[in-house]
Formats: sequence, structure tokens, C-alpha cells
Amino acid sequence: DGGITQSPKYLFRKEGQNVTLSCEQNLNHDAMYWYRQDPGQGLRLIYYSQIVNDFQKGDIAEGYSVSREKKESFPLTVTSAQKNPTAFYLCASRGGGGTNEQFFGPGTRLTVL
Amino acid sequence: GESVGLHLPTLSVQEGDNSIINCAYSNSASDYFIWYKQESGKGPQFIIDIRSNMDKRQGQRVTVLLNKTVKHLSLQIAATQPGDSAVYFCAETAFLGGAQKLVFGQGTRLTINP
Repeated sequence: DGGITQSPKYLFRKEGQNVTLSCEQNLNHDAMYWYRQDPGQGLRLIYYSQIVNDFQKGDIAEGYSVSREKKESFPLTVTSAQKNPTAFYLCASRGGGGTNEQFFGPGTRLTVL
Repeated sequence: GESVGLHLPTLSVQEGDNSIINCAYSNSASDYFIWYKQESGKGPQFIIDIRSNMDKRQGQRVTVLLNKTVKHLSLQIAATQPGDSAVYFCAETAFLGGAQKLVFGQGTRLTINP
């Protein structure tokens, strides 16, 4: 089955710890995105990548880092510098050919204890 | 700056009735507008999009209307079903250095009453 997966579904972290969220897609999409969603809110863009070995900051990149070493993978690290990391994190990918549709993964809910 | 917002945060309709979800946007330069559906605890799902040079687009049980004069977007769902209960987001596209970016509104929670 083609799709986009995120793991883990739930993640708990102690304050001061870095944590990495996984995002994998087998859709052969070039573009990948990370969003943050807070309760009752829309999605806000953290980082995006148009192609392997390239990524750009989104609207709320502070306290986060990413890498794009493989086309299929776009992991997000939430660092201890992120002051309010508890949120629902969503990864998305988009194919070429002028499509506007971003395919979203199931999300990872991060809770900082 | 760019912003996309929704007029109503919640909407309740009877099963079988039609529903209309509204959205206001501010960036008149956006090329596309997209509606997403998000069920509880899941990622958003694409419903339908509309190009900025169109006024209306229809899909299966859904219709999107775009009024560029007043920067207003709406999603009409016909004959609502229990499975339509979800949060609906509108989003507008923007391009940064050739990369597509989506700007999302806050969302409207649609509840279908039996």
C-alpha cells in the first residue's frame, strides 16, 4: 500500500530532552512537510523540503530541526530549545505535476512531562 | 500578512440535511484553495480544491464556491451522513521560492445529529 507513515503515534518526553519523530513515505514524492497542530487550531508549518538534501524553515521553525538524506524520509527533531513542544505533529508529502494535494500521515502526539 | 479564517467554529446539522462551511481568506494572490477533512486523532484528508480563476467546483456530494470579490470560500456538503462529522479546514496556497506552502484556517467542527 502506498502512503505516508509516522511513528510513534504517542510520544512522551521529559523536559530538556530532544526527541525525533519519524516520517516515511513510499509515494515517490519530492516535497515533504512538517506541521504542528495545537488544540482547536489549524496547522502551522515548521519545515519543508522540496528535494533530497534540501529543506527550508517554515513559519515556526525555532526549536526544531530536520534532515532529508533520503527521498522517503523526513525526520523531525524537537529540541530542548522548543519552549512549548506539547502538540500534535503532522507530516505531509506532495507529488509533482502541479498537484496541490498534500497527503498527510496519521500524526504523532507529543506530550512533554 | 497571509491569513485564512473561518466564520463559525462549530456547526451542527441533522443527518440528511445539507451543510455549508464558510471560510474567509486575505491573500488575493493565492492560486488554489483547498478543503481538508480531519477526523479526531487523524491526519487531514484532501476533499476538494478550486483554482482561483474558477467560481465553483463540484465533487462527490461536495461543492466548493469561491467569491474572490469578498474573499470568501465555502464548502457545501449534500445529504450529510454520520461519517461527515469532523473538523473541516480551508487552506490557501502560497509559493515560496518555488515550493508550495499551505496556510490553514482554524477549522470548523461539523457535527451530524441523527
